[in-house]
Amino acid sequence: GENVEQHPSTLSVQEGDSAVIKCTYSDSASNYFPWYKQELGKRPQLIIDIRSNVGEKKDQRIAVTLNKTAKHFSLHITETQPEDSAVYFCAASRKAGTALIFGKGTTLSVSS
Amino acid sequence: DSGVTQTPKHLITATGQRVTLRCSPRSGDLSVYWYQQSLDQGLQFLIQYYNGEERAKGNILERFSAQQFPDLHSELNLSSLELGDSALYFCASSVDLTAHTEAFFGQGTRLTVV
Repeated sequence: GENVEQHPSTLSVQEGDSAVIKCTYSDSASNYFPWYKQELGKRPQLIIDIRSNVGEKKDQRIAVTLNKTAKHFSLHITETQPEDSAVYFCAASRKAGTALIFGKGTTLSVSS
Repeated sequence: DSGVTQTPKHLITATGQRVTLRCSPRSGDLSVYWYQQSLDQGLQFLIQYYNGEERAKGNILERFSAQQFPDLHSELNLSSLELGDSALYFCASSVDLTAHTEAFFGQGTRLTVV
């Protein structure tokens, strides 16, 4: 089955810096890669996703890149703010309607 | 509010006991997924139901079972509970199987086994 590795497990940055979180997946048939943000004590929420027919997607300060050949994808957050502090999860899915397989999460701390 | 409702929010029970966690998906969503979140394991997929039928199994223990009812709500049953079953259990729902769509998570049920 699919396995998703996520690095780093913790990341501390200064406000205004950029943050990058990387994930690799094992199943070459995976074609959907969402990122979820989970604030302390809250539910995970989708922040951005990318499909395998696209190499990069951007939404304001957040961008995701996908390298299908290497089977890895990354989340880039620019101009970080304290409210970006949360746990971020990457996930992969091979077919519409199949369960998301998540990485173990990255705890991002943004200090002002 | 995601539209996915989970009850109860907190549950404390003793080892060896059995509990039932309940999930009501968003209106119109046919797929329900159960995930277990523990500190060092992230979000582990347990099981998926689609329109009343089991669709996929992940790392679900034999002591755990689930079902989805005709009104599409789902229940996760955990039996012979062990200390290690203490975790946050999330239910998520999505529309159907035809396209990749956002999975909406409930607020979770925090289970503490003592």
